[in-house]
Amino acid sequence: DVKVTQSSRYLVKRTGEKVFLECVQDMDHENMFWYRQDPGLGLRLIYFSYDVKMKEKGDIPEGYSVSREKKERFSLILESASTNQTSMYLCASIPGLAGIETQYFGPGTRLLVL
Amino acid sequence: GNSVTQMEGPVTLSEEAFLTINCTYTATGYPSLFWYVQYPGEGLQLLLKATKADDKGSNKGFEATYRKETTSFHLEKGSVQVSDSAVYFCALQSWGSNYKLTFGKGTLLTVNP
Repeated sequence: DVKVTQSSRYLVKRTGEKVFLECVQDMDHENMFWYRQDPGLGLRLIYFSYDVKMKEKGDIPEGYSVSREKKERFSLILESASTNQTSMYLCASIPGLAGIETQYFGPGTRLLVL
Repeated sequence: GNSVTQMEGPVTLSEEAFLTINCTYTATGYPSLFWYVQYPGEGLQLLLKATKADDKGSNKGFEATYRKETTSFHLEKGSVQVSDSAVYFCALQSWGSNYKLTFGKGTLLTVNP
């Protein structure tokens, strides 16, 4: 079974702090994604990566950056956390092979910024 | 651009009732369509998918048919159980999009015994 793990289930940070959210997948997947989930808004794509050191902005990249130094790990960085970044953050990965479209999700990190 | 519209919840049903959650989409070309489910406290997991027109995806008693003429992918189940209580997301993936998914806003389903 594919496993996608996220470093924390719950996180509380203060405004202005630098926050790192880590995601690791164990199936050698090419593509990885970061989403945020908010009530009434569904999931919105923040950033994705289709290879090591490669990244592309999603629909709502402002206030976030990402890092992918190794294939299995994709980090989301909040350079200076703000209260409007309080949300559930979900990481996902996909093999990147033709005909395999299913994304595999981690359990999520619920971030509260005070 | 791509978009997904699904019926707003919450939806509350009694056990063994019939379920329909409507989903329509706007996309260029012929996208793949998905239903994902999120059980309380968990991440999303794929429920079913369809990759071309008239395909029917099915899993765990749930079904959805890819209707190109109405740009729809409605989720149905004939007899829901308490364990089906979850949030359901409709999503699409366009060809050449680097596997990015566009999600609907989600529908919370609560099934009472």
